[in-house]
Amino acid sequence: KNEVEQSPQNLTAQEGEFITINCSYSVGISALHWLQQHPGGGIVSLFMLSSGKKKHGRLIATINIQEKHSSLHITASHPRDSAVYICAVKRKRANISNFGNEKLTFGTGTRLTIIP
Amino acid sequence: EAGVAQSPRYKIIEKRQSVAFWCNPISGHATLYWYQQILGQGPKLLIQFQNNGVVDDSQLPKDRFSAERLKGVDSTLKIQPAKLEDSAVYLCASSPWTVSGANVLTFGAGSRLTVL
Repeated sequence: KNEVEQSPQNLTAQEGEFITINCSYSVGISALHWLQQHPGGGIVSLFMLSSGKKKHGRLIATINIQEKHSSLHITASHPRDSAVYICAVKRKRANISNFGNEKLTFGTGTRLTIIP
Repeated sequence: EAGVAQSPRYKIIEKRQSVAFWCNPISGHATLYWYQQILGQGPKLLIQFQNNGVVDDSQLPKDRFSAERLKGVDSTLKIQPAKLEDSAVYLCASSPWTVSGANVLTFGAGSRLTVL
């Protein structure tokens, strides 16, 4: 079983619909990233959150640390939102105490297609 | 602020040939990551550098892959000899070094490798 699971794997919706993408993880984390990857393009970081909720434009990300679950919501979806959305969790390294960058573990992504 | 630069964007080679990818991180970012992303999967960490030292290369296939960051700035990733299963996008990312771990991760556009 992957340490980071996303659902659904693929999602097709009509323009204007409210979109929810889910991420569940099984390890202790210090933070969680939501990333967006367009076809042929690089990865853009949308959010990094460790508790509660963040909002940026039509995007909202929530996290429940106790339940080890995060959701990414898109309101009033648009065809330009079509992309792969990836959840990545930051795990503390066991062999680096107190300082140093933390390891990211990625989900396999959710491919979102918004139809005009 | 300039982003993470990668080259080449695309490379097609035959199996058993060699290939090298180059990455120039954001100025001042101490940490540099190389990820391999196979189609339909999330990125997999190959190697992480802290300045010019290797922090994690546990998932790097060392019989054929090598990476260096000699001066602690730009980095090269080499594959020799390439196999068909190496076809993937190779992503470079960088982040500043922080104690808290609340660091922002910035990805390059990636180098897409096709092995025939």
